[in-house]
Amino acid sequence: EVQLVESGGGVVQPGGSLRLSCAASEFAISDYAMAWVRQTPGKGLEWVSGISYNGVGTNYADSVKGRFTISRDISKNTLYLEMNNLRAEDTAIYYCAKDLGRRGRGATMDVWGKGATVTVSS
Amino acid sequence: QSALTQPRSVSGSLGQSVTISCTATSSDFGGYNFVSWYQHSPGKAHKLIAYEFNKRPSGVSDRFSGSRSGSTASLTISGLQAEDEADYFCCSYAGNYDFFFGGGTKLTVL
Repeated sequence: EVQLVESGGGVVQPGGSLRLSCAASEFAISDYAMAWVRQTPGKGLEWVSGISYNGVGTNYADSVKGRFTISRDISKNTLYLEMNNLRAEDTAIYYCAKDLGRRGRGATMDVWGKGATVTVSS
Repeated sequence: QSALTQPRSVSGSLGQSVTISCTATSSDFGGYNFVSWYQHSPGKAHKLIAYEFNKRPSGVSDRFSGSRSGSTASLTISGLQAEDEADYFCCSYAGNYDFFFGGGTKLTVL
């Protein structure tokens, strides 16, 4: 079964850092565009970042640009989200998701993980 | 970037049909024909139930159908079942691995 499992969430002080991981199984992330999406009770779902299937293209929401970095390790079949200079408004459940199409443009996310909770608080 | 507006809640009785709307408030879904719908229940992963407005992924019940009329995408659930009670989100592709989402609709099955 195609599956994504996030880890690395936790409680961090404002200005701190965290790295989220997203372990993929039953498919190769080298063949699929991937994305990070977050959800808060107040703001709903918000796209955070995406990466092309070949890892060349990346994009970020304005709210995280310059602070978050998306990357991947093909050998571990794992996607990452490095989060620096965290703010209270980054508190959310973070989900990773994969594109529907193999080597596609990343326009439809078909499989999501169950999420990792990040809390930014002093 | 366009915003997507969904009703906060809808309800329907067992066996009935309900339709959830998703209206693009400015540009017509960002100029792309990639609108998806997701079902989310507590403790479960978001499930793709429709994409490119009206396509259905394999394994999804044909009780779920997506459509589009102008700047409004819709999800219709027919023959409501208790397990359909969940939150439903619409999502539009904005290009360059970017997406924007509707605020979500809570479906209550009476």
